[in-house]
Amino acid sequence: QQPVQSPQAVILREGEDAVINCSSSKALYSVHWYRQKHGEAPIFLMILLKGGEQKGHDKISASFNEKKQQSSLYLTASQLSYSGTYFCGTEWGSDYKLSFGAGTTVTVRA
Amino acid sequence: EAQVTQNPRYLITVTGKKLTVTCSQNMNHEYMSWYRQDPGLGLRQIYYSMNVEVTDKGDVPEGYKVSRKEKRNFPLILESPSPNQTSLYFCASSKTNEKLFFGSGTQLSVL
Repeated sequence: QQPVQSPQAVILREGEDAVINCSSSKALYSVHWYRQKHGEAPIFLMILLKGGEQKGHDKISASFNEKKQQSSLYLTASQLSYSGTYFCGTEWGSDYKLSFGAGTTVTVRA
Repeated sequence: EAQVTQNPRYLITVTGKKLTVTCSQNMNHEYMSWYRQDPGLGLRQIYYSMNVEVTDKGDVPEGYKVSRKEKRNFPLILESPSPNQTSLYFCASSKTNEKLFFGSGTQLSVL
């Protein structure tokens, strides 16, 4: 029961914006976002807890819509360093059974 | 330095030969977990542990075993590996309900 991420891939020019969506078929307790560079381990970006809280990390921010059972990650004024695969991870309860989506590959070009 | 250490980094083995991938963390984290990563499928959870002697199945537990006898260690055991277990494996740890710290990964090939 993995969450569904969209789009699968996106290509941007430096300075452009993008949105990555993460949808769940069940009510969410929390959503995690991670970025992975090729051949490396995923790196934490942010956690959102139920309550619709929006968080930010530099020019990357995220929202959590409890009612729609989804989260969105916003890449603003993209930089070359934003390239990588972004994963959302979802929890449906507080038991920490964290399931990840299939990932969204972001390519930022100069 | 705070870290999650996995070994080995690369492993090639043959069908049926038992193997263990080790995972150790030095951050006194309660939670540890194993994931496998396959192209197009993302990270799929194999097993997780909320504390010593407490383990539970993730989404793809078949063919794997784990144990949590000490808080810092969470080995992944493949009793009889098969080619469909060829994958990139990641161990991760965290304080309960906080961000995950991942190990550097183990690329396993089962021939």
